[in-house]
Amino acid sequence: GDSVTQMEGPVTLSEEAFLTINCTYTATGYPSLFWYVQYPGEGLQLLLKATKADDKGSNKGFEATYRKETTSFHLEKGSVQVSDSAVYFCALITRGNNDMRFGAGTRLTVKP
Amino acid sequence: ETGVTQTPRHLVMGMTNKKSLKCEQHLGHNAMYWYKQSAKKPLELMFVYNFKEQTENNSVPSRFSPECPNSSHLFLHLHTLQPEDSALYLCASSQVGQGNTEAFFGQGTRLTVV
Repeated sequence: GDSVTQMEGPVTLSEEAFLTINCTYTATGYPSLFWYVQYPGEGLQLLLKATKADDKGSNKGFEATYRKETTSFHLEKGSVQVSDSAVYFCALITRGNNDMRFGAGTRLTVKP
Repeated sequence: ETGVTQTPRHLVMGMTNKKSLKCEQHLGHNAMYWYKQSAKKPLELMFVYNFKEQTENNSVPSRFSPECPNSSHLFLHLHTLQPEDSALYLCASSQVGQGNTEAFFGQGTRLTVV
């Protein structure tokens, strides 16, 4: 079945460091891909998305590119801030299916 | 109002209690979901409702009983829970049938079973 694999955390960075969180997927169809963020004590919020190959999703300085050839959707940010500390989830959903599949989540801690 | 609202935010219940979690969505979506988030475990999909009909039950114990009276409201009735059921319960909604739309989540109910 469809699935998402993302790098295990936790990830600890200093402020202004470069961030990459890897995400790869397995899907029988052509999925849409998402990154969600969960701040402490909150639910999941959509961070960005891409619906077809080569699309780039971006928001709040984060970006991810839908790479069909490598079945990947890695999350990147050029300069992280303390306020970016959260858990990040990669997810997919395939057309005609409303079962969204999530990765295990990667906890990011940014230190001043 | 926020898109998906869950109440209560926090709940402590004994193993013999009966309680209900409530979820309401104001987005006009036609699908609603319950997820369980436990410490150090992946997000677990529990139930899916499409157009008020339950379409998925991921082997969830019968002590969890969902109810979807209309497309805007979703409940999770709880009875005789176990301590290992303590978790964050997240409700989500989406629009199915118009492309691959994302799920919108509520803030969750933090459940502690004592």
